[in-house]
Amino acid sequence: NAGVTQTPKFQVLKTGQSMTLQCAQDMNHNSMYWYRQDPGMGLRLIYYSASEGTTDKGEVPNGYNVSRLNKREFSLRLESAAPSQTSVYFCASSDVSGNTIYFGEGSWLTVV
Amino acid sequence: QKEVEQNSGPLSVPEGAIASLNCTYSDRGSQSFFWYRQYSGKSPELIMFIYSNGDKEDGRFTAQLNKASQYVSLLIRDSQPSDSATYLCAVNGGGSYIPTFGRGTSLIVHP
Repeated sequence: NAGVTQTPKFQVLKTGQSMTLQCAQDMNHNSMYWYRQDPGMGLRLIYYSASEGTTDKGEVPNGYNVSRLNKREFSLRLESAAPSQTSVYFCASSDVSGNTIYFGEGSWLTVV
Repeated sequence: QKEVEQNSGPLSVPEGAIASLNCTYSDRGSQSFFWYRQYSGKSPELIMFIYSNGDKEDGRFTAQLNKASQYVSLLIRDSQPSDSATYLCAVNGGGSYIPTFGRGTSLIVHP
């Protein structure tokens, strides 16, 4: 079972470059999320999507955009990467109740 | 804004001992409580959830919830070195299905 799949796993960017993190889930979940995790800061919500066609800002949305392409896919875009966006990014999904969140394996992003 | 507080640790216990991890939350309307385990370099995985006051046991793990005092705890009996990880507390409810995560407690089980 694939669960939540995100790509790429590792990426190094130069300041000002753009990139898109891709995420797909095969559990027929309505809700999808993007988190970032930094040392000592825990998991912080960037954006979420309650259902296909809707997206909402989380705790730390600045510098990011998202697209809920269809029920399966939810992408995260960095338009102009900054060193402060160096982090581990997790995509996740859950059913409508949000009772159990399933995480992807993470994407390690370094901005130099 | 909802807050979920955990002691960052590390909590160090000997193999075979009981590890006790604690979490407090600020929103009295919270309804669902989760414990995730995260190994270094890996993603979080759910190990327990609890909705009602009291204890819930699953193997070596026991989750305890006290809504009046706004805390939830996780007990790990017969701790093993393989339990060494960061444990994240998450809370949702109170008008939002989106969980708020604590910063996690690092647990080290030494042989």
